[in-house]
Amino acid sequence: AQRVTQPEKLLSVFKGAPVELKCNYSYSGSPELFWYVQYSRQRLQLLLRHISRESIKGFTADLNKGETSFHLKKPFAQEEDSAMYYCALSSSNTGKLIFGQGTTLQVKP
Amino acid sequence: DAGVIQSPRHEVTEMGQEVTLRCKPISGHNSLFWYRQTMMRGLELLIYFNNNVPIDDSGMPEDRFSAKMPNASFSTLKIQPSEPRDSAVYFCASTFYRYNSPLHFGNGTRLTVT
Repeated sequence: AQRVTQPEKLLSVFKGAPVELKCNYSYSGSPELFWYVQYSRQRLQLLLRHISRESIKGFTADLNKGETSFHLKKPFAQEEDSAMYYCALSSSNTGKLIFGQGTTLQVKP
Repeated sequence: DAGVIQSPRHEVTEMGQEVTLRCKPISGHNSLFWYRQTMMRGLELLIYFNNNVPIDDSGMPEDRFSAKMPNASFSTLKIQPSEPRDSAVYFCASTFYRYNSPLHFGNGTRLTVT
């Protein structure tokens, strides 16, 4: 069964501190993993996907199949990073996309 | 492109009333998803369609919920009768399904059932 777990509901850090938002998944096939972000008063939008191996707004995420994790990291948090972050898993066979419970990132000045 | 369009933006209704939420996906997209967002459970997938056909409705809470997609440019999510525990933000999202295709979300409908 597909499952995504984000263990932290809230992560609060100071500006300039490193950030790591945790995501673990359960899936028997080959996973497609994403991070989505929802800024205040904006719609949910794609932040990055594992296949692209890209850095967006200073964020990176590495797929670790051994640990079944896809943690989101940024070395130096900025206040504008404050938002709700969702990790998501898609089935390559069906396109079904499920989300974790989300983590609210709060970056304090 | 205006993106995924949902209506209404806000809906306040009394328990027992019928509620219909509407979604217009991005033109050309062939997959459409309905999600429910609550503080307790985050984003839950309710149902999704590929080429207007419901593929997986296992997330629909109970028989009070139903969804339709009569054509490629329109979908509805209906709750009848509504209950206070249905209060949430309901999101519609669409994509042109292929490997690693991202979802495009609407602004959501905030439903309050009193």
